[in-house]
Amino acid sequence: DIQMTQSPSTLSASVGDRVTITCRASQTISSYLAWYQQKPGKATKLLIYRASSLDTGVPSRFSGSGSGTEFTLTISSLQPDDLATYYCQQYYNYPITFGQGTRLEIK
Amino acid sequence: QVQLQQWGAGLLKPSETLSLTCAVYGGSFSNYYWSWIRQSPGKGLEWVGGVSHSGSTNYNPSLKSRVTISINTSKNQFSLKLNSVTAADTAVYYCARGGDIVVEVGATLHRPFDHWGQGTLVTASS
Repeated sequence: DIQMTQSPSTLSASVGDRVTITCRASQTISSYLAWYQQKPGKATKLLIYRASSLDTGVPSRFSGSGSGTEFTLTISSLQPDDLATYYCQQYYNYPITFGQGTRLEIK
Repeated sequence: QVQLQQWGAGLLKPSETLSLTCAVYGGSFSNYYWSWIRQSPGKGLEWVGGVSHSGSTNYNPSLKSRVTISINTSKNQFSLKLNSVTAADTAVYYCARGGDIVVEVGATLHRPFDHWGQGTLVTASS
């Protein structure tokens, strides 16, 4: 199985800050990397697919980059609504696997 | 607008069978792959398996011996059965659209999960 490792596990930042979350794959996954946002009581939301493509309706402050084994999710200017847990996921081969999550807190 | 609505028993005894169904409203049902994902505090998000419109399935090897995913195209629904549950199967189970991976000469397809259900908490306890 491909192991996905996210860092940090928890991140505390202020409104307006630039925030970066890192995801590493245990082997190359090309660009088949997705980022999800999870909030309590709401359906999990796809933010980024194919490492850097923004899903429909996702604010442009979110961006993704990377290929191979190293990936990042960046929020250019943190907003209060971004309070959530973020997960990376590889869909290069089966079994599909997820990172352990990054909980984002607003200072 | 695509919506996934799921239901099923939330409390099971060890050795019983978990059974969940997910109905899809809006969008195309036949052009997509449909998956189940679970989330427990101890293991995070775990892909359980998925099914195509034609009924072809893929399962996580860690659960393969106990899992069956099926599809009912006449009702735009797909279902999950997990046999012989234990406390380790206690989790929130989500249905989702996507998760198909096809690697063939001239036909490569990789799709993430672009729509998710709200989740069903399933507890296995005596």
